[in-house]
Amino acid sequence: DAGVIQSPRHEVTEMGQEVTLRCKPISGHNSLFWYRQTMMRGLELLIYFNNNVPIDDSGMPEDRFSAKMPNASFSTLKIQPSEPRDSAVYFCASSLMGAEDTQYFGPGTRLTVL
Amino acid sequence: DAKTTQPPSMDCAEGRAANLPCNHSTISGNEYVYWYRQIHSQGPQYIIHGLKNNETNEMASLIITEDRKSSTLILPHATLRDTAVYYCIVRGKGANNLFFGTGTRLTVIP
Repeated sequence: DAGVIQSPRHEVTEMGQEVTLRCKPISGHNSLFWYRQTMMRGLELLIYFNNNVPIDDSGMPEDRFSAKMPNASFSTLKIQPSEPRDSAVYFCASSLMGAEDTQYFGPGTRLTVL
Repeated sequence: DAKTTQPPSMDCAEGRAANLPCNHSTISGNEYVYWYRQIHSQGPQYIIHGLKNNETNEMASLIITEDRKSSTLILPHATLRDTAVYYCIVRGKGANNLFFGTGTRLTVIP
């Protein structure tokens, strides 16, 4: 059974460019989470979807960040325009039965903004 | 969610049991203890969780003290592939966030 799938695994871009990260949750899971991990701040929750609806986006840093979940099997996290301080590893996770259930993480996307 | 305290690092000989402690003295009655690990350059991996009773699965055992103020994750026969950072997380019902602290860096030595 496939786990959470993320693409790309690595992304290098220049400051000011738009970046789109993609996530496919585990089939049948109804909740999806986007996290960001840096050395300084550790792992931080950015946004959480339940049944494709954003429930908590209080962790989204600023208006440059946006996330969508058009259907149960796909989500995107977009940064526009990107800045060097956005460099981090971005993880997507999903859970079967809502936020209280066990979260399973994808392999992450390592983003470098030059 | 209650805060957890873990030793920053531990070593374990390959084939021996690895016992990773976690203190969570402010845990509330409805808060679960979760354990995840993160192997270098990979996403966090769920290991096990429990509320009051000890739990065991194919990966590990979780021992929670009777007063629930501390717990121990046990990897019964550590292998080199178990080298990772292990996170103990206390999570309340209804909480959508997993707060990963600094964890314990476990090094399994040949």
